[in-house]
Amino acid sequence: GIQVEQSPPDLILQEGANSTLRCNFSDSVNNLQWFHQNPWGQLINLFYIPSGTKQNGRLSATTVATERYSLLYISSSQTTDSGVYFCAVLRVETSGSRLTFGEGTQLTVNP
Amino acid sequence: NAGVTQTPKFRVLKTGQSMTLLCAQDMNHEYMYWYRQDPGMGLRLIHYSVGEGTTAKGEVPDGYNVSRLKKQNFLLGLESAAPSQTSVYFCASRPVTGQLPYEQYFGPGTRLTVT
Repeated sequence: GIQVEQSPPDLILQEGANSTLRCNFSDSVNNLQWFHQNPWGQLINLFYIPSGTKQNGRLSATTVATERYSLLYISSSQTTDSGVYFCAVLRVETSGSRLTFGEGTQLTVNP
Repeated sequence: NAGVTQTPKFRVLKTGQSMTLLCAQDMNHEYMYWYRQDPGMGLRLIHYSVGEGTTAKGEVPDGYNVSRLKKQNFLLGLESAAPSQTSVYFCASRPVTGQLPYEQYFGPGTRLTVT
């Protein structure tokens, strides 16, 4: 099956710093989503971005499908940004479609 | 519009007990999914359904059964719980067509502990 690798596995920032999270995937995909899992375990959709660039406030994401990677940018980080960031990719095949998750990047933003 | 809801939010079972987790969505989505998340890991697909009355196995289906008798509900059953099934369970749904056909929407999760 498709492999999804995220880096770095852990990241510690001071409030106000910027960061870039990376997601590499091993095959072509139909969809890519970025999620934030907050400290209470809730999964929050950040971006649906199979290709191109999107921005939402301090967050932006870029997916280069031909090179099989996606980047999540967090600017001016806040303590509320802490949590785990997951990248998930979907491939549609004859047997069905499945969303495959990476193992996540644990982000800690200190005040 | 409540989105995707899961019942219960927490549960503690003893080894060998059975239970059913309920997932409900009010977005008229065709596809529904059950995932499990173990500590320090991403989500893994247990079973999924592409429509009412249909189910299929995912990546880690052993020890679980599912049913989709109504379009809005997707049930996950554990017939004989084992400690290895201690996990957080997430349900998700997505539409077949539309502007964002492949975007999955997730429920809040059910934290299950098997002792």
